[in-house]
Amino acid sequence: GESVGLHLPTLSVQEGDNSIINCAYSNSASDYFIWYKQESGKGPQFIIDIRSNMDKRQGQRVTVLLNKTVKHLSLQIAATQPGDSAVYFCAENKPNSGYALNFGKGTSLLVTP
Amino acid sequence: DAGVIQSPRHEVTEMGQEVTLRCKPISGHNSLFWYRQTMMRGLELLIYFNNNVPIDDSGMPEDRFSAKMPNASFSTLKIQPSEPRDSAVYFCASRGAGQATNEKLFFGSGTQLSVL
Repeated sequence: GESVGLHLPTLSVQEGDNSIINCAYSNSASDYFIWYKQESGKGPQFIIDIRSNMDKRQGQRVTVLLNKTVKHLSLQIAATQPGDSAVYFCAENKPNSGYALNFGKGTSLLVTP
Repeated sequence: DAGVIQSPRHEVTEMGQEVTLRCKPISGHNSLFWYRQTMMRGLELLIYFNNNVPIDDSGMPEDRFSAKMPNASFSTLKIQPSEPRDSAVYFCASRGAGQATNEKLFFGSGTQLSVL
């Protein structure tokens, strides 16, 4: 079926290192992708997004890469900080449903000192 | 801006009782979404509204669930009767009228529902 999924359910990195969180999608019709961060007890918070006509987009300490050939999306966090510890979700626009977002299951990022 | 406001933050009820969750979207936003989050299924879209009109309710689990949006600043999600398997965190999100249809959603803090 068509779905958005994550390669790693948990990721542990040391403070100061770079983090890479991966996501696979299966719907080639999706044209918009987005990453959210969710801290415990809070709602998902927007990090960065990218449209399918781009393959890279940078924000503050974060970069999203899109590889449409293999239907792969990644989030790179530079110089990871303890405050980056959270669950990260990728999402794609949901075709045939007015562009409501379809979320993956999430990757838990733990930053150790 | 206060962001998307949901109430209550926590709800504990007994099986069979009616539960009503409330949401106030960001002022000026014209699309509103209800999601449910569980460990097993992640974030699932239940229903969404555009200009107060339900557009897609295919994610609503069954007839026990209903949602309304009587005006641009208020929406409810009702479960009647509630069952233990409805226990989850329910999120409301909104999207601005000025944004393209496939741009980011702004989420509330969620309602943690426990049905005993």
